[in-house]
Amino acid sequence: GAVVSQHPSRVICKSGTSVKIECRSLDFQATTMFWYRQFPKQSLMLMATSNEGSKATYEQGVEKDKFLINHASLTLSTLTVTSAHPEDSSFYICSARGTGAYEQYFGPGTRLTVT
Amino acid sequence: EDQVTQSPEALRLQEGESSSLNCSYTVSGLRGLFWYRQDPGKGPEFLFTLYSAGEEKEKERLKATLTKKESFLHITAPKPEDSATYLCAVQALIKAAGNKLTFGGGTRVLVKP
Repeated sequence: GAVVSQHPSRVICKSGTSVKIECRSLDFQATTMFWYRQFPKQSLMLMATSNEGSKATYEQGVEKDKFLINHASLTLSTLTVTSAHPEDSSFYICSARGTGAYEQYFGPGTRLTVT
Repeated sequence: EDQVTQSPEALRLQEGESSSLNCSYTVSGLRGLFWYRQDPGKGPEFLFTLYSAGEEKEKERLKATLTKKESFLHITAPKPEDSATYLCAVQALIKAAGNKLTFGGGTRVLVKP
């Protein structure tokens, strides 16, 4: 149980284009979903927290107009990187927390490369 | 501000050589401490949640313990497949923290056959 998927697993895009990443909880309803960014050999950096049907809460320093988060249902959240630039290249990971639970279950991650 | 420090940063073990990883934390009231395993290029895999000092949890060759200031992840007789980065994270009780996790920097474990 507690499986989270992400799509795509890898994406290469050109500078200036937008990219959408999907995060789905497959076997439970995710009241809250989280988006993280991870640089090589570093730990996870929380970007934003989203609750179903509400606006996302962004961490300090994260541009909300650049990283658009939508959590439209209890099983799906999306992260859109708008007008991507090479510095946005990174490993993006989502996690999901079920109703009444404390644990977060992570997706497999999406490797974004902006050329 | 909540802080989590993991040590050592990296650990090289021979197969069968038991060892312990440390996670020291400061948090304004602990709701839970979490251990994850992360393989290269993948998302973290949930291992354990510990809620109160004195609590212990086991899974195969891994055992996690918790005190009021730190947690240990003991790896008993490790195998090469235990090679991974082990992440520790805490969640604070206070409502303002939401359900956020604060992660440590991780310990990279390499088990040689």
